[in-house]
Amino acid sequence: DQQVKQNSPSLSVQEGRISILNCDYTNSMFDYFLWYKKYPAEGPTFLISISSIKDKNEDGRFTVFLNKSAKHLSLHIVPSQPGDSAVYFCAARAGGNNDMRFGAGTRLTVKP
Amino acid sequence: GAGVSQTPSNKVTEKGKYVELRCDPISGHTALYWYRQSLGQGPEFLIYFQGTGAADDSGLPNDRFFAVRPEGSVSTLKIQRTERGDSAVYLCASSLQGAAGANVLTFGAGSRLTVL
Repeated sequence: DQQVKQNSPSLSVQEGRISILNCDYTNSMFDYFLWYKKYPAEGPTFLISISSIKDKNEDGRFTVFLNKSAKHLSLHIVPSQPGDSAVYFCAARAGGNNDMRFGAGTRLTVKP
Repeated sequence: GAGVSQTPSNKVTEKGKYVELRCDPISGHTALYWYRQSLGQGPEFLIYFQGTGAADDSGLPNDRFFAVRPEGSVSTLKIQRTERGDSAVYLCASSLQGAAGANVLTFGAGSRLTVL
């Protein structure tokens, strides 16, 4: 069952503009959410996380927003850079559980 | 080591053969995970080790899959009687915390398995 969904398989934005990647989840027990970035032939690398007790977490150009009532989170990248081009995975876990659930990923392309 | 190391990076085998995939986690990381990523999908949990023991193997798809971590460091994922549907990238990850907090995983580059 798809407990974490990324409905947009791809996104293309112009350099300097905002990239918004979306993620929906179904399991209300999830209490940690993470975004990972993946380049070709490499493993996913951690980008940013948010606890369910918060609604926003910011780290430089990256901000994650969490809307618990809508079971929705988003990753904002501002300003977008060509080096941000990668596949972005949304992931979620319930505290104490080992099986972090991943979405199918969104391929972001930032055009110069 | 500095990162999570996985070998081989690529493995091509024939249906019915046995394969082993190796993972060398970050030194000092007690938690080790195996994930499988099929084409167009996100990583799917297979098994989790805390130290030497498999604390959670609920993600293993069937009894053809088995993993060990005898000394609490290097782990080997073993697949018997491989099937074409086993073709995927097998990702290993490690972490300090195990099942606590955000539990940020550090992933290796993966082993791409192709079963002909």
